Amino acid sequence: DAGVTQSPTHLIKTRGQQVTLRCSPKSGHDTVSWYQQALGQGPQFIFQYYEEEERQRGNFPDRFSGHQFPNYSSELNVNALLLGDSALYLCASSYRVDQPQHFGDGTRLSIL
Amino acid sequence: AQSVTQLDSQVPVFEEAPVELRCNYSSSVSVYLFWYVQYPNQGLQLLLKYLSGSTLVKGINGFEAEFNKSQTSFHLRKPSVHISDTAEYFCAVTHNDYKLSFGAGTTVTVRA
Repeated sequence: DAGVTQSPTHLIKTRGQQVTLRCSPKSGHDTVSWYQQALGQGPQFIFQYYEEEERQRGNFPDRFSGHQFPNYSSELNVNALLLGDSALYLCASSYRVDQPQHFGDGTRLSIL
Repeated sequence: AQSVTQLDSQVPVFEEAPVELRCNYSSSVSVYLFWYVQYPNQGLQLLLKYLSGSTLVKGINGFEAEFNKSQTSFHLRKPSVHISDTAEYFCAVTHNDYKLSFGAGTTVTVRA
């Protein structure tokens, strides 16, 4: 049973570019959440998708957007990249609110 | 809104010694509590969770945590650590919204 998978594992971009990160949830999970983890910090909640809709959002600008597909997989898009967007981006999936979220290994995004 | 404070940023400990990682949370409603571990260049792995019931929760790899509602704490303990326990540990809290709020993390370094 595959867990949460994310691609790519590493990515290097320059300021002003756009990036798309991808996530496939654990089998049986229907909710996908995205987190940003800056170096030396805890993950920060970006947003969450359920039934192809953004259900809630953290304190991130509109440059961060996402999508969920009918098979529950998800994408995170970031436009107009800034140096401060350099971080590990984690995807987590879940089924019920009282069940733990399962995390992927993340995508390491470096902005030059 | 919930928040989490991990009281120790770094905890050095000798192999086979006990360790305690402290976590306090703030919330005006009932919460679910989690401890996750993050090894270098990996995502987050669930150690244990508190949803309801017994306040002493046992997790994987010999870890346990105690929920204390009056002190709003959820401290993590292990009676005897191994070199392989060297990692970053995160305490997290959520209400009925799937959104996890993480602490800043505690770096545990186990020395021989």
